[in-house]
Amino acid sequence: DMKVTQMPRYLIKRMGENVLLECGQDMSHETMYWYRQDPGLGLQLIYISYDVDSNSEGDIPKGYRVSRKKREHFSLILDSAKTNQTSVYFCASSLGINYAEQFFGPGTRLTVL
Amino acid sequence: GEQVEQRPPHLSVPEGDSAVIICTYTDSATAYFYWYKQEPGAGLQLLMSVFSNVDRKEEQGLTVLLNKKDKQLSLNLTAAHPGDSAVYFCAVSGPGANTGKLTFGHGTILRVHP
Repeated sequence: DMKVTQMPRYLIKRMGENVLLECGQDMSHETMYWYRQDPGLGLQLIYISYDVDSNSEGDIPKGYRVSRKKREHFSLILDSAKTNQTSVYFCASSLGINYAEQFFGPGTRLTVL
Repeated sequence: GEQVEQRPPHLSVPEGDSAVIICTYTDSATAYFYWYKQEPGAGLQLLMSVFSNVDRKEEQGLTVLLNKKDKQLSLNLTAAHPGDSAVYFCAVSGPGANTGKLTFGHGTILRVHP
């Protein structure tokens, strides 16, 4: 079953706490993505990973970092979360950079108080 | 960089009517075009993809039109039903040495009422 999973689905943190969002895919896709979605803004690309330990900043990387140590797993880390990082975060994967079709996870709703 | 404008932001149609969503992009070299559907609490689901050499594509009650001259992409849901109620996003991607990046429109909230 081709799938992108995200954990946790809901998370509440206090300002200044660290946040770890996890994403997994079982399709052996090379490329993985992290987006955030805010009302009326569509999806904004935070980071893109082309393969293990091969990560590149997206359009809004400030305040975030990522880790990809296994092809099937891609983490998004917020060191010292801020209230303006309250959002819904989506992970996606694609076969490779020349395959623009992306498969999305169900999202993580993060609230930073 | 590429920018995508999507309209309308909200659309309400009676069941059985058609619903049309339009995206306008800026980069004439854009090569790949996508429509995604997002249901409440879920991720984005790919509805249809179109390459730049296609002007029209129809699948299962959906019609995608690509007007390269005006840099416009449209999605037409013919005979919409309440199950089509969702948020719809267009997305585009560049040509050639593809970075794998998509540029998304801001979404259209579609409500199909009985």
